[in-house]
Amino acid sequence: AQKITQTQPGMFVQEKEAVTLDCTYDTSDPSYGLFWYKQPSSGEMIFLIYQGSYDQQNATEGRYSLNFQKARKSANLVISASQLGDSAMYFCAMRDLDNTDKLIFGTGTRLQVFP
Amino acid sequence: NAGVTQTPKFQVLKTGQSMTLQCAQDMNHEYMSWYRQDPGMGLRLIHYSVGAGITDQGEVPNGYNVSRSTTEDFPLRLLSAAPSQTSVYFCASSYGGRYGYTFGSGTRLTVV
Repeated sequence: AQKITQTQPGMFVQEKEAVTLDCTYDTSDPSYGLFWYKQPSSGEMIFLIYQGSYDQQNATEGRYSLNFQKARKSANLVISASQLGDSAMYFCAMRDLDNTDKLIFGTGTRLQVFP
Repeated sequence: NAGVTQTPKFQVLKTGQSMTLQCAQDMNHEYMSWYRQDPGMGLRLIHYSVGAGITDQGEVPNGYNVSRSTTEDFPLRLLSAAPSQTSVYFCASSYGGRYGYTFGSGTRLTVV
């Protein structure tokens, strides 16, 4: 069975600093995808970044990068140069690409950026 | 407007009432899912579909039914509402694979 674990309920970071949000996962499937979503206080879900299990390079999207360590089953999100607008809930999710294609979420991390 | 449309945005039900949450997408996505979001528990998968006519259960399917008669629509039915179903419900759709899911704006449901 798939499982996503986010152990940090809340994180604080000062503006312009980098921050890492942790995500570990568990699956027996060799082909899977890892996603990060942002949920601001307005409630919408915003897709940030994707990493495939067979991708050779760590994914990057602007200020977002994914530190993918396959052997450790971790997919941490790194936000560089934090901005006040980055304050939000962040969710890690995993999708089994071979079988069910279900997308399963972790419990999330609330990030607060302070000036 | 392209995207995932959920209706209603807010709903209050009495215990035992039934209702249907509507979800429609116009992006020709094969994959659609329903989630509920509760404080401290993230998003939990209720039901999902990999195409018209095909649905399956997620993590928390009890008390909910779905059907997928068309690619565009994926309604979620609450047969007999219970206070434990008070939550924010999200519908989402995707092309599948490495493509992220696009989410609707959510339905805030309160069961009294």
